[in-house]
Amino acid sequence: DTGVSQDPRHKITKRGQNVTFRCDPISEHNRLYWYRQTLGQGPEFLTYFQNEAQLEKSRLLSDRFSAERPKGSFSTLEIQRTEQGDSAMYLCASSYSGGGDEQFFGPGTRLTVL
Amino acid sequence: SQKIEQNSEALNIQEGKTATLTCNYTNYSPAYLQWYRQDPGRGPVFLLLIRENEKEKRKERLKVTFDTTLKQSLFHITASQPADSATYLCAPPGSGGYNKLIFGAGTRLAVHP
Repeated sequence: DTGVSQDPRHKITKRGQNVTFRCDPISEHNRLYWYRQTLGQGPEFLTYFQNEAQLEKSRLLSDRFSAERPKGSFSTLEIQRTEQGDSAMYLCASSYSGGGDEQFFGPGTRLTVL
Repeated sequence: SQKIEQNSEALNIQEGKTATLTCNYTNYSPAYLQWYRQDPGRGPVFLLLIRENEKEKRKERLKVTFDTTLKQSLFHITASQPADSATYLCAPPGSGGYNKLIFGAGTRLAVHP
């Protein structure tokens, strides 16, 4: 069990550019979550997948954000036309619906928009 | 809207003492509540889950209580060690199912030798 992995760990981009992050959950986990965390705050929920279906999206997720989980395994989060306010840590978590309710988090992707 | 409040000020204690962290929630009644530990630059790590029908849960030096009347959970670390220094996050599930978590801002704990 290698845990949840995220790539890249750090991303610096210029305002207006598009960025894409990847999350590989624990292999048997069918639930996958994306959260965003800014300095001094707790993580905020962005979106949830059960297998390949995106079942919930937060109102925080503007039209510039899109997430996919095409085969029910890894997931990608894309931000188009990045803004400085998008600078944050993007966290992915996974869990198994047949197990407990705890979520297993990846190390996060730190995004800096210049 | 659902609101989770944790002590925003850092908690500084001496090694060996018991640390007590508070989590208050308003505007709903979660069926359970989780506590996570987060070290700088890393993702949260699950510690304990307590359900509404449980008053207390223990794991090694950790203890969590859940008072649904007061809408409060307390998180205790006994015999604290410098390695316990981290930010501790309270996280009940949000409404609407799917077990998404609503996190508090966290309380930073510093244990001094």
